[in-house]
Amino acid sequence: EIVMTQSPATLSVSPGERATLSCRASQSVSSNLAWYQQKPGQAPRLLIYGASTRATGIPARFSGSGSGTEFTLTISSLQSEDFAVYYCQQYNNWPPSWTFGQGTKVEIK
Amino acid sequence: QVQLQESGPGLVKPSQTLSLTCTVSGGSISSGSYYWSWIRQPAGKGLEWIGRIYTSGSTNYNPSLKSRVTISVDTSKNQFSLKLSSVTAADTAVYYCATTTYGDYDYWGQGTLVTVSS
Repeated sequence: EIVMTQSPATLSVSPGERATLSCRASQSVSSNLAWYQQKPGQAPRLLIYGASTRATGIPARFSGSGSGTEFTLTISSLQSEDFAVYYCQQYNNWPPSWTFGQGTKVEIK
Repeated sequence: QVQLQESGPGLVKPSQTLSLTCTVSGGSISSGSYYWSWIRQPAGKGLEWIGRIYTSGSTNYNPSLKSRVTISVDTSKNQFSLKLSSVTAADTAVYYCATTTYGDYDYWGQGTLVTVSS
């Protein structure tokens, strides 16, 4: 099983500042990596797929980068609605067991 | 646009089988190339991928749950289902159904809380 490790666990950021979230895979997942945002009481929302492609309707302040085992989600200028928990997920085809990271909570500083 | 809705008992006794159904609307479960999946989230914790069933009917499961999990499709009802046997308190979670064509989940149900307790 591919283990996904996110850091930091919690990120305290002021509105308007940049946030950088990391995700590391225990083995290469190529670019088969997605990022999700989850707010309390809601299902996760897809932000980024293919490591760097924004999903439909996602603002340009969200960007993803990386390939292989190291990935980054950047929020260029945090808005009030961006404070949430963010998860990465690998969907490499082999072995066929997709896995999520443990999440990074972005909170107001 | 595809919409998903989970349904099933909110309370299951220990050692019994948890059964949930996901009803798909806005599209046919048997058309296209989709992975129909179940994902769960214990309170205050992260997401755990349970497994998936492809349009063709082939399945893949989380190795840690494989011995207890069955995912199936009922094309006549446009639904897919989850069965998890021999449940314990550790299986208490919000269960989501979700779908994708490649691996990134763009459609999710709202989630349903299942509590395992006597």
